[in-house]
Amino acid sequence: DTGVSQDPRHKITKRGQNVTFRCDPISEHNRLYWYRQTLGQGPEFLTYFQNEAQLEKSRLLSDRFSAERPKGSFSTLEIQRTEQGDSAMYLCASSSYGYQETQYFGPGTRLLVL
Amino acid sequence: KNEVEQSPQNLTAQEGEFITINCSYSVGISALHWLQQHPGGGIVSLFMLSSGKKKHGRLIATINIQEKHSSLHITASHPRDSAVYICAVSQGESNYQLIWGAGTKLIIKP
Repeated sequence: DTGVSQDPRHKITKRGQNVTFRCDPISEHNRLYWYRQTLGQGPEFLTYFQNEAQLEKSRLLSDRFSAERPKGSFSTLEIQRTEQGDSAMYLCASSSYGYQETQYFGPGTRLLVL
Repeated sequence: KNEVEQSPQNLTAQEGEFITINCSYSVGISALHWLQQHPGGGIVSLFMLSSGKKKHGRLIATINIQEKHSSLHITASHPRDSAVYICAVSQGESNYQLIWGAGTKLIIKP
């Protein structure tokens, strides 16, 4: 399977714990995006990488959130000191470089903070 | 008022029916996207269009730039079409800052 993969698919954690999610994009894609989706809502943009550079970060992303893409391939999204409001589906997408490129989405990581 | 609004929010139909999902937007856009999300989270891009009409199999997407409106049609609907259909718009050269609608949940009954 050469699509976008995310790990884990589900995560249950207690409030205050740190969690880390991983996204492996389509191998030739140099753009990578993170979104968050709560129940009944469309996805909200969180952050965007071109290769290893984080070019944009949403105001939604508090200081407890950090994302990295150290080698321009896979990316990690870490949430520190999780809160119940962080419970959501975290979606990763990747695309190639170009005008109006199509984003390809992974299956998502569903986070539940108890 | 949301910048991208979809209707209906929920739609249940019988197999074989012609389905229409509508999307209206209030901002200037460079492209409009239709995406499909199945239970479990995976999102698939169906169409990206900036004018006119596109067709892929039983799916047809149209856009009217002047009226700021797009429709997604499904002909000869099938239970496997059951999913959430999301409309999103992009405003700049890159589409990473998509503005998303809330989605339309479609259920096709056999």
